[in-house]
Amino acid sequence: KAGVTQTPRYLIKTRGQQVTLSCSPISGHRSVSWYQQTPGQGLQFLFEYFSETQRNKGNFPGRFSGRQFSNSRSEMNVSTLELGDSALYLCASSLVDLAEAFFGQGTRLTVV
Amino acid sequence: KNQVEQSPQSLIILEGKNCTLQCNYTVSPFSNLRWYKQDTGRGPVSLTIMTFSENTKSNGRYTATLDADTKQSSLHITASQLSDSASYICVVSGGPGTNAGKSTFGDGTTLTVKP
Repeated sequence: KAGVTQTPRYLIKTRGQQVTLSCSPISGHRSVSWYQQTPGQGLQFLFEYFSETQRNKGNFPGRFSGRQFSNSRSEMNVSTLELGDSALYLCASSLVDLAEAFFGQGTRLTVV
Repeated sequence: KNQVEQSPQSLIILEGKNCTLQCNYTVSPFSNLRWYKQDTGRGPVSLTIMTFSENTKSNGRYTATLDADTKQSSLHITASQLSDSASYICVVSGGPGTNAGKSTFGDGTTLTVKP
């Protein structure tokens, strides 16, 4: 059974640009969550989607948005990138809720 | 505000030694508590999951304990190996109510195992 797949693995963008990250959950999983992890900080919750609906949202500015498609794949978009957005972005999927969440390898975003 | 506090922040031990990591939480009501291992630059991998009715759960050399009354959990690593060097993250999920399904993450304990 394939795990959670995140693409791309690495990304370099310049300030002011926008970026879209992709997450393909484990087959059959309907819940997808996104997290930001910066050096020295723990995982910060961005948002969670379930059946194409945003169910929970963390305390991030509106520049961070996401969506989920009917096949449960999810995308996360960050507009007007800032240097502080440089981080490892992780996606996790679970069957129903976060009781058993499986993480992807993450996308390492560097903003220069 | 729901909180999950982990201690110590970092730990260095010699290969073959045992160690215990701590997790204290204030999440209430409580649904489950999970321990994850995260290698540098990679996604977290689940080690154990415990509900409020479980006191202990093992996964190989990893044993997690839970005291739901005092809201404390520990992760014990036996006979440490170099590959145990990683960040260990405690995650607590809320139970029925406004916190239902919401997970609170600890900042993690960074473990370094030296030969």
